[in-house]
Amino acid sequence: DVKVTQSSRYLVKRTGEKVFLECVQDMDHENMFWYRQDPGLGLRLIYFSYDVKMKEKGDIPEGYSVSREKKERFSLILESASTNQTSMYLCASSSISGSSTETDTQYFGPGTRLTVL
Amino acid sequence: AQKVTQAQTEISVVEKEDVTLDCVYETRDTTYYLFWYKQPPSGELVFLIRRNSFDEQNEISGRYSWNFQKSTSSFNFTITASQVVDSAVYFCALKGMWGNTPLVFGKGTRLSVIA
Repeated sequence: DVKVTQSSRYLVKRTGEKVFLECVQDMDHENMFWYRQDPGLGLRLIYFSYDVKMKEKGDIPEGYSVSREKKERFSLILESASTNQTSMYLCASSSISGSSTETDTQYFGPGTRLTVL
Repeated sequence: AQKVTQAQTEISVVEKEDVTLDCVYETRDTTYYLFWYKQPPSGELVFLIRRNSFDEQNEISGRYSWNFQKSTSSFNFTITASQVVDSAVYFCALKGMWGNTPLVFGKGTRLSVIA
C-alpha cells in the first residue's frame, strides 16, 4: 500500500511565525505535490517537485516555499504565516513509472488543518 | 488549457437510491488520464479510479460504476444503492498523459446520503 504521511493533522500558529509542513512517502515516488483546499475554491496546487532538489510553481506559490532534499520528503514552508494562509494542506505523491495503473496516479496524505491566528 | 467541471455542487439522496455524479472536461491533449477521488469527512483524498483516454470501456466495481464518453467529454460516476458511508466530497480530475503536468481538479460534488 502507498503511504503518504504528514507531520501534523492540526496545527495552530501565530501571524508572522515560520511554519514547516512535512510530507513523507514510502513508495519511492518521483513526484510530490502540495495543495491547499478552501471551501468553494477546491484544491489548488501550490508547488510540485519531480525530482530531488527540483521544484515547480503551481497556481498559488506566493507566500510559500518548498524543499526537497531527499526523494521521500517534501516540505512546505510558510516564511511568515498570515491569517489568509489558514487552510487545509494536502500532500500527494505519484510515480512516473511502474505498473500501467500506477503511473501518474496521485496518492494523498491525511492533510494538515492549519490555523493562523 | 485543461478544465474539469463538476456542475453539481451538492447532492442529497436517501439511502438505497442510485446517484450519478457528473464530470465534464476540456483538454487539447489527445491522450490523457481521468480520475475520481473520494474525500470523506476525515479529509484524506482516496483514489477511486483512473481511466486512459484510449480506453472507453465502462467500469464497474461493486456498487460503483463509471461511464466514460469521449464524444461528450464526460466521465460520470454512479453509485448504486447508496449508503450513508458514501457521504463525502467527490472530485473528478484530468491529467495529460505526457510530461510532468499536474492534475487538474474539478471543484467537487458533496454527496449526502440520508438514512
